Amino acid sequence: DAKTTQPNSMESNEEEPVHLPCNHSTISGTDYIHWYRQLPSQGPEYVIHGLTSNVNNRMASLAIAEDRKSSTLILHRATLRDAAVYYCILSAYSGAGSYQLTFGKGTKLSVIP
Amino acid sequence: DVKVTQSSRYLVKRTGEKVFLECVQDMDHENMFWYRQDPGLGLRLIYFSYDVKMKEKGDIPEGYSVSREKKERFSLILESASTNQTSMYLCASSLQGASTDTQYFGPGTRLTVL
Repeated sequence: DAKTTQPNSMESNEEEPVHLPCNHSTISGTDYIHWYRQLPSQGPEYVIHGLTSNVNNRMASLAIAEDRKSSTLILHRATLRDAAVYYCILSAYSGAGSYQLTFGKGTKLSVIP
Repeated sequence: DVKVTQSSRYLVKRTGEKVFLECVQDMDHENMFWYRQDPGLGLRLIYFSYDVKMKEKGDIPEGYSVSREKKERFSLILESASTNQTSMYLCASSLQGASTDTQYFGPGTRLTVL
């Protein structure tokens, strides 16, 4: 299984940018990089995904290293609502005509008012 | 908006009881998943289904079974609940199971087995 490595926890001040790193040195050429987050007492929710190029959406930006062995989720301006556990995940083919997401332990982001 | 609902937010059962956890999605998704989440272990996949009546084991299927008789509904069954199955159970669905698909999660069921 393709694995990812993330810091256990990070802190950010409110209204400042946050860069959440992820290492995935064993990534294969067809693996997409997905980010999900889990707010307290809720199920995970999709944030963003990408393959090679940097990606932007209304929630965040995803910067992918040229060798694809690492990526960074960027929250441009952290709010208290962004306090959550952030998961960096590689999609993996399950062999049953479907791709799975294997969740690790994620990074717990705390936002300081 | 995609909606994934789970039958209960909280459930308390006794050891040995048969437990049914129900999950329903309203977006005609092909794939559905059951995970459990425990402190320090993250989310672990129990079973998934890529079509009606089709199922595949995930990483930790022991002690569980599943049923998918209709496309929108995916049930997780604990045949004889044990205390080590006390956990948060999360259901998810995705459109087709492609590598770019988004998984949509329900709110979770916190199961306590006494």
